[in-house]
Amino acid sequence: NAGVTQTPKFQVLKTGQSMTLQCAQDMNHNSMYWYRQDPGMGLRLIYYSASEGTTDKGEVPNGYNVSRLNKREFSLRLESAAPSQTSVYFCASSETLWGTYEQYFGPGTRLTVT
Amino acid sequence: DQQVKQNSPSLSVQEGRISILNCDYTNSMFDYFLWYKKYPAEGPTFLISISSIKDKNEDGRFTVFLNKSAKHLSLHIVPSQPGDSAVYFCAGIQGAQKLVFGQGTRLTINP
Repeated sequence: NAGVTQTPKFQVLKTGQSMTLQCAQDMNHNSMYWYRQDPGMGLRLIYYSASEGTTDKGEVPNGYNVSRLNKREFSLRLESAAPSQTSVYFCASSETLWGTYEQYFGPGTRLTVT
Repeated sequence: DQQVKQNSPSLSVQEGRISILNCDYTNSMFDYFLWYKKYPAEGPTFLISISSIKDKNEDGRFTVFLNKSAKHLSLHIVPSQPGDSAVYFCAGIQGAQKLVFGQGTRLTINP
């Protein structure tokens, strides 16, 4: 059981470039989430997917899009990267929306936009 | 609008002593609180939670206390061990809405 996996682990982009962060979980969870973590701040929710086929905005959705490809996979896309999107990105999953309040996190993707 | 605040960015404790991490919140509608632990280069892992109808929850060396009137919760680790060195996040949740995280406190356990 790998849990929640994320690729890539590190990425450097130039301003204006696009990329997709991949996330997959093997726990048969219904709900998946994308967070970003910045220094001195907690994790902030970007988008979430309550179940396959649905997605909703979180606290900081601007500049991002998501796709819930199937029950296992939830991707995050940056269409035109900006330096303000330099951050560590975490994907998480839970059995139901918000879980028994317990979410399982991936190892993170460290993204730098120059 | 920081609904969950951890005012101590860091805390240093001697091995074997008690570590106390604090968290304040402003949203009185939170009905559950969680603590997550995060090691460098890893994702956060769930540690312990407490319902808003309780004032204490214990799991081994970890105890969380909730004071609703003060809108304050704390995580006690007794005894502290070197492996407890990590960043700890508290989070609140209201109904089916999103987890709201605090900024985190870096705990260092000194031998």
